[in-house]
Amino acid sequence: QSVLTQPPSMSAAPGQKVTISCSGSRSNIGSNYVSWYQLVPGTAPKLLIYENNKRPSGIPDRFSGSKSGPSATLDITGLQTGDEADYSCGAWDSSLTAMLFGGGTKLSVL
Amino acid sequence: EEQLLESGGGLVQPGGSLRLSCEASGFTFRDYSMSWVRQAPGKGLEWVSAIRGSGSYTNYADSVRGRFVMSRDNSENTLFLQMSSLRVEDTAVYFCAKELKSGGGYWYFDLWGRGTRVTVSS
Repeated sequence: QSVLTQPPSMSAAPGQKVTISCSGSRSNIGSNYVSWYQLVPGTAPKLLIYENNKRPSGIPDRFSGSKSGPSATLDITGLQTGDEADYSCGAWDSSLTAMLFGGGTKLSVL
Repeated sequence: EEQLLESGGGLVQPGGSLRLSCEASGFTFRDYSMSWVRQAPGKGLEWVSAIRGSGSYTNYADSVRGRFVMSRDNSENTLFLQMSSLRVEDTAVYFCAKELKSGGGYWYFDLWGRGTRVTVSS
């Protein structure tokens, strides 16, 4: 049921900036809030961004989110090796009445 | 400290049943909607089901509707997922997740467990 599209993988050097995209439609990203999650195998997923661009307490401002129409992006600046993980976007879909996640983007920092 | 701890996963044959539990602590459990989210091997997250704080309303993904039943016991701070007619494609790590804000319908999750693995295989 995943209709949020993300690039499968991305890579960048330490200290650089990466932008991860998440493409949806009017019924999900276009009309509902976007959230972003960091997934590391064997650990609990972590909420990075909610309501398109808000950070929970404890999330550094190197992580930022934005939304425009049916698409959203997650920016990570000052990349660190510890940022290597999978990143997934999520949004409610008003037509499907279901929560959707993107397929995830595997970020390599090298 | 807020915490979620899943249990109940394991190996089950196709067509079988399994009941997952998620024990919550550190927050007022009854005030929050909760979801089950799964991740199949090599795949992304897939939302499975959700339940309001009172337990009065549930919602399911098309892939599990009619086979899975989500419930909660607010007196025991525990969430459940009763899975029946299991299929090979239900193989995944199952996470329980708490919505960030109380009241329900916010659809972003600030607290997750580490997950419990379900393997459906003959």
